[in-house]
Amino acid sequence: DIQMTQSPSAMSASVGDRVTITCRASQGISNHLVWFQQKPGKVPKRLIYAASSLQSGVPSRFSGSGSGTEFTLTISSLQPEDFATYYCLHHNSYPYSFGQGTKLEIK
Amino acid sequence: QVQLQESGPGLVKPSGTLSLTCAVSGDSISSDNWWTWVRQPPGKGLEWIGEIYHSGRTNYNPSLKSRVTISVDKSKNQISLKLNSVTAADTAVYYCTRDLGVDPSYSSDRKNDCWGQGILVTVSS
Repeated sequence: DIQMTQSPSAMSASVGDRVTITCRASQGISNHLVWFQQKPGKVPKRLIYAASSLQSGVPSRFSGSGSGTEFTLTISSLQPEDFATYYCLHHNSYPYSFGQGTKLEIK
Repeated sequence: QVQLQESGPGLVKPSGTLSLTCAVSGDSISSDNWWTWVRQPPGKGLEWIGEIYHSGRTNYNPSLKSRVTISVDKSKNQISLKLNSVTAADTAVYYCTRDLGVDPSYSSDRKNDCWGQGILVTVSS
């Protein structure tokens, strides 16, 4: 099974900051990676698919990159509504698996 | 607009069977989609449970495989989840969703992000 490891597990940042979250796969997954955002008590929301494709309706300050085993989610200028938990998911082979999550908090 | 709605008991006794359904509206369960269950224990991360295609083909998480069954009911346009021999560790919010693994070649409709609102299932006596 492929394991997904996110770093950091938690971080604090200020409005306007540039933020990068990393997701590493235990083996190569090509670009079969999705990023989700989840706010407390809410349903997960897809931000990025195929490692770097922006989901329709998602602000352009979100971007994804990477291929193989290392991936990043970047928020170019943090907005108040971006404080949430972010998860990566691989769908390269079964079983699919999520990273453990990165909680982004206000500094 | 595709809508998913989970339903089922919110409380299940230990060693019992958790049974949930996900009613789909705005799309046919027989369309080209993988209908998926995901769960999230309180305060913890997301876990992929498994998925089903309208043909009945399934893929399950091996960590649950011996206990889980996902089925499709075309006449009711819904999917179901059964998890047997439950313990407190199965307490979670259970979500149904569609096509977690999106490919750029998919149609714009298929790329839409669709989730049910989630249902909390507590395993307790």
